[in-house]
Amino acid sequence: NAGVTQTPKFQVLKTGQSMTLQCAQDMNHEYMSWYRQDPGMGLRLIHYSVGAGITDQGEVPNGYNVSRSTTEDFPLRLLSAAPSQTSVYFCASSRDRDSYEQYFGPGTRLTVT
Amino acid sequence: SQELEQSPQSLIVQEGKNLTINCTSSKTLYGLYWYKQKYGEGLIFLMMLQKGGEEKSHEKITAKLDEKKQQSSLHITASQPSHAGIYLCGADEEIQGAQKLVFGQGTRLTINP
Repeated sequence: NAGVTQTPKFQVLKTGQSMTLQCAQDMNHEYMSWYRQDPGMGLRLIHYSVGAGITDQGEVPNGYNVSRSTTEDFPLRLLSAAPSQTSVYFCASSRDRDSYEQYFGPGTRLTVT
Repeated sequence: SQELEQSPQSLIVQEGKNLTINCTSSKTLYGLYWYKQKYGEGLIFLMMLQKGGEEKSHEKITAKLDEKKQQSSLHITASQPSHAGIYLCGADEEIQGAQKLVFGQGTRLTINP
């Protein structure tokens, strides 16, 4: 199993540009989530999904959209990038919403200029 | 919402020395997780504690949850360069029926040879 994969690993955007961060898992996990990590602030939950077709907002959802059309994929979209979105983004998955062991992707380092 | 405070924020120790990282919660912890992150990589799940007074060990890393379930400590014995990284504690928070994790701000551990 590849586990949780994320692409790209690095990305530089200009303010106002849009892009999609890709996340995929091959473990048939129901629960997937997106976090951002900023210095001194730890991980903060952006959006999560408890299954295909179901998504919900986390702690810091503004400026981000998600969809979950398949169990495997959970893309994160930035519609109009802002410098405040410069961060490292992690995608995670777990077997279901009650499972405590989450598997994390390697992260995407995003810089918005 | 729950807040997790980690201390220290950074730690530099000589190889072979013991060290402890603390995680304190503003609320009773019903699930406390420890993760490790190496630069450029995703998070690696270390341990999960649920019961007051619980203690778990994995190789040279021991995690404890106090009886009141509001503080956890991570202790590394005879530290090695491979222990270097950022250690994050996380806790369960259930919002609208879905499991979410909230995280501390992380402790950066450097091991000097």
